[in-house]
Amino acid sequence: QVQLVQPGVEVKTPGASVKVSCNASGYTFIAYYMHWVRQAPGQGLEWMGKINPKDGTTRYAQNFQGRVTMTGDTSTSTLYLELSSLRSEDTATYYCARENIRGFEDWGQGTLVTVSS
Amino acid sequence: QSVLTQPPSASATPGQRVTISCSGSSSNIGRNIVNWYHQVPGTAPKLLMYRNNQRPSGVPDRFSGSKSGTSASLAISGLQSEDEADYYCASWDDSLGGRWVFGGGTKLTVL
Repeated sequence: QVQLVQPGVEVKTPGASVKVSCNASGYTFIAYYMHWVRQAPGQGLEWMGKINPKDGTTRYAQNFQGRVTMTGDTSTSTLYLELSSLRSEDTATYYCARENIRGFEDWGQGTLVTVSS
Repeated sequence: QSVLTQPPSASATPGQRVTISCSGSSSNIGRNIVNWYHQVPGTAPKLLMYRNNQRPSGVPDRFSGSKSGTSASLAISGLQSEDEADYYCASWDDSLGGRWVFGGGTKLTVL
C-alpha cells in the first residue's frame, strides 16, 4: 500500500531554513505529482506547491515564491520541501500529499515545524 | 482569509442529515471540480469526495456531494458519532498562476 513517511518534528529559529522529507513507497515514484500542504495550529489547509518527481518541474504558490524549494531524489524515492527565512508564522504541520486521478488521496502523517527563538 | 468560504461549524444529532456549504468564485469552483477532505484533529486529512460527487473506495454512501455554479455542498445523512471531524472543500483556482485553494474548514459536532 502507499506509504508517505515524514519526520515528526523540526525545531528552528527565526531566519533559519528547514528541509522536510517525505519518503514514498508502495507505488511508482515518478508516476505521480507530489504536493505540499501546510496547516498552522488550529487553522485550515494551505497549498504550498507541487513537484513532478519524474523531471523535477515545480509549481509554487505565489505566497511562497522565493522562499520555497521542492526537490525529489528518485534513487531513494524521497521528496523534500525546503522553506527559508523562517518566521514564527511558519509554525505549522507540513504534509506531503500524493495526487492521483481522484485528488490528494494519500497523505504523509505530517511534520510539525516549530519556529521559535 | 480562505479563498473558499465554509461555515466554521455545524452540528446535528445521530441519525440526522447535515449539509456543509462551500462558496467560491468563477476562477475556482465556477470552472473546476471540487474535492472534499475530512480530518480528525491530530491526524492527516483524508479524501472524502472527488470530482464534485464521487466517493473514493471505502466511503459510505451516506456521504454525497454536489456542485452548482460557484458553490458546492457536502451532505451527510444518517449521521454517526464517528463523523465528528473537520471538513474541508478544495478546488483548483486559475488565478495567480494556478493553485489549489481550500475552504477554511467546518467543524462538525455530533451532539
